[in-house]
Amino acid sequence: DVKVTQSSRYLVKRTGEKVFLECVQDMDHENMFWYRQDPGLGLRLIYFSYDVKMKEKGDIPEGYSVSREKKERFSLILESASTNQTSMYLCASRAGRDYGYTFGSGTRLTVV
Amino acid sequence: GQQVMQIPQYQHVQEGEDFTTYCNSSTTLSNIQWYKQRPGGHPVFLIQLVKSGEVKKQKRLTFQFGEAKKNSSLHITATQTTDVGTYFCAAWFLSGNTPLVFGKGTRLSVIA
Repeated sequence: DVKVTQSSRYLVKRTGEKVFLECVQDMDHENMFWYRQDPGLGLRLIYFSYDVKMKEKGDIPEGYSVSREKKERFSLILESASTNQTSMYLCASRAGRDYGYTFGSGTRLTVV
Repeated sequence: GQQVMQIPQYQHVQEGEDFTTYCNSSTTLSNIQWYKQRPGGHPVFLIQLVKSGEVKKQKRLTFQFGEAKKNSSLHITATQTTDVGTYFCAAWFLSGNTPLVFGKGTRLSVIA
């Protein structure tokens, strides 16, 4: 089975801190995605990447950046954390367009 | 932007009753996928539908893609407590390797 591993299950950070959320997949998938999930708002796409060093903005990229230096790792960076970035963050990967997404277990981030 | 509307937002059923969630778009969809997220968990891929009028079954779950490829449904026969969770549809609008667009989900509660 494909595994998508997110480094932290729960994280508490202070306002203004730089936050790194790590995601690693073990099945050589080309495509990787970062979503945030909030009650009533569903899954919203932050950034995605189809190849190493490639990144594309999703629907809500403001306040975030990403890094993909290696194929298996896709990092989400909160440049200066704010309380409105308190959320569940989900990383996903897929082998290609005709395949389903495999999600990580999520990181619940609280910014205080 | 393009979106898929999912209804209902919530559904409470008695164990043994049937359940249906609907996914609608004003634009023709390329493909559609369905995911299930258990409480406290992450979305898990269930199935993909590609062809107009396609019907697929997984045990008590029946998935349907409309003839015009603008809507889809997930029907669960004789719900069980293990069916509890949020069901998401997710669709592509264009050909090519674009990210999925997720509906906001239907949260199913099953009363034993």
